[in-house]
Amino acid sequence: AQSVTQLDSQVPVFEEAPVELRCNYSSSVSVYLFWYVQYPNQGLQLLLKYLSGSTRVESINGFEAEFNKSQTSFHLRKPSVHISDTAEYFCAVTSGGATNKLIFGTGTLLAVQP
Amino acid sequence: EPEVTQTPSHQVTQMGQEVILRCVPISNHLYFYWYRQILGQKVEFLVSFYNNEISEKSEIFDDQFSVERPDGSNFTLKIRSTKLEDSAMYFCASSGGPGTEAFFGQGTRLTVV
Repeated sequence: AQSVTQLDSQVPVFEEAPVELRCNYSSSVSVYLFWYVQYPNQGLQLLLKYLSGSTRVESINGFEAEFNKSQTSFHLRKPSVHISDTAEYFCAVTSGGATNKLIFGTGTLLAVQP
Repeated sequence: EPEVTQTPSHQVTQMGQEVILRCVPISNHLYFYWYRQILGQKVEFLVSFYNNEISEKSEIFDDQFSVERPDGSNFTLKIRSTKLEDSAMYFCASSGGPGTEAFFGQGTRLTVV
């Protein structure tokens, strides 16, 4: 069974500052990793994914994440945040398998202040 | 860009009533899912559906829940007799298969009163 831990329930940060949202996972098999973003009163949007290949992945809006197998982590970073980045960020894992179901972390609210 | 669509966006129902939440997955996807998110909590897996049958379900998905793909395009979640604790946002998702990302709909907010 897999599990995901997002230790920070809320991360306040000033605009243009860097941010890191932490995600650790537990699994006995190889995994695929995802970050989803949920803007206020909206659904879940895929932000970025690690399926295979390069361990560092990037999104089109400046976020990046690095898969670290030895530390079982997939932390999300952005060097300079905007007010519009304010949202809930969910880390998720799947082993693929027969169902490809996702296991989500509890989410981190990124609160960007002016 | 293809997307998963869900209707209605918001449903209010009385306790004990049946509700059907509807979803249209991405057309060439083969795996379909329902997840739910109780207000302020994490997103939880309910059920996965593949090849016209349930492939996995969580302990939340008890006998009050059922899923169906009635016509090859829609994917529905039925709650037979709603309880107050069923109030949540319900997300439908679809994917092309193992090792691919899941695409989520905008969700249906179910409020049981």
